[in-house]
Amino acid sequence: EAQVTQNPRYLITVTGKKLTVTCSQNMNHEYMSWYRQDPGLGLRQIYYSMNVEVTDKGDVPEGYKVSRKEKRNFPLILESPSPNQTSLYFCASRRDPGLTSNEKLFFGSGTQLSVL
Amino acid sequence: GENVEQHPSTLSVQEGDSAVIKCTYSDSASNYFPWYKQELGKGPQLIIDIRSNVGEKKDQRIAVTLNKTAKHFSLHITETQPEDSAVYFCAASYSGGYQKVTFGTGTKLQVIP
Repeated sequence: EAQVTQNPRYLITVTGKKLTVTCSQNMNHEYMSWYRQDPGLGLRQIYYSMNVEVTDKGDVPEGYKVSRKEKRNFPLILESPSPNQTSLYFCASRRDPGLTSNEKLFFGSGTQLSVL
Repeated sequence: GENVEQHPSTLSVQEGDSAVIKCTYSDSASNYFPWYKQELGKGPQLIIDIRSNVGEKKDQRIAVTLNKTAKHFSLHITETQPEDSAVYFCAASYSGGYQKVTFGTGTKLQVIP
């Protein structure tokens, strides 16, 4: 089954304790992206990757890191989490972004993060 | 950059009635407008999209209209059913090459049986 898999689904942590949220897709998609969803703010892009070893900042990248060493995986790293990073996080992927027929984003099920 | 505004933020309708969600965008270069549905505990899923060379598109009970001049587009759901209850996001982007997708703030639709 074609899917984007995020882990964990729920995570409670404390300020300053490094954490990683994993994201994997099995569709051989070139493009992957991370979003955070907050009430009243919709989905905001954190980082995106056009391909392996190619990453760039989205709208709200502060406090986050990403890496794209393999095509299928795109982990989100919070090196020193703070309470304002408490949010619902989504990973998404898309086929070759150079083709206009491939705009559909496939989303994971989300990771609810609470930073105390 | 692009700015997408979405209204209303919440919407309650009786089962069988119609629901309309409206969005406006700011960048006249945007030419691709998808709508995503997010069910409770799940990630958003694309339900319908429209390109700027089309004024309206239908898929069963769902339709989207686009007014390029006024820079607004709308989602219409007819004969609503309880399973239509979800959060709906509109979005705008420029189709071609890398396209940054800008999402609206979401509409929580509740269909009352």
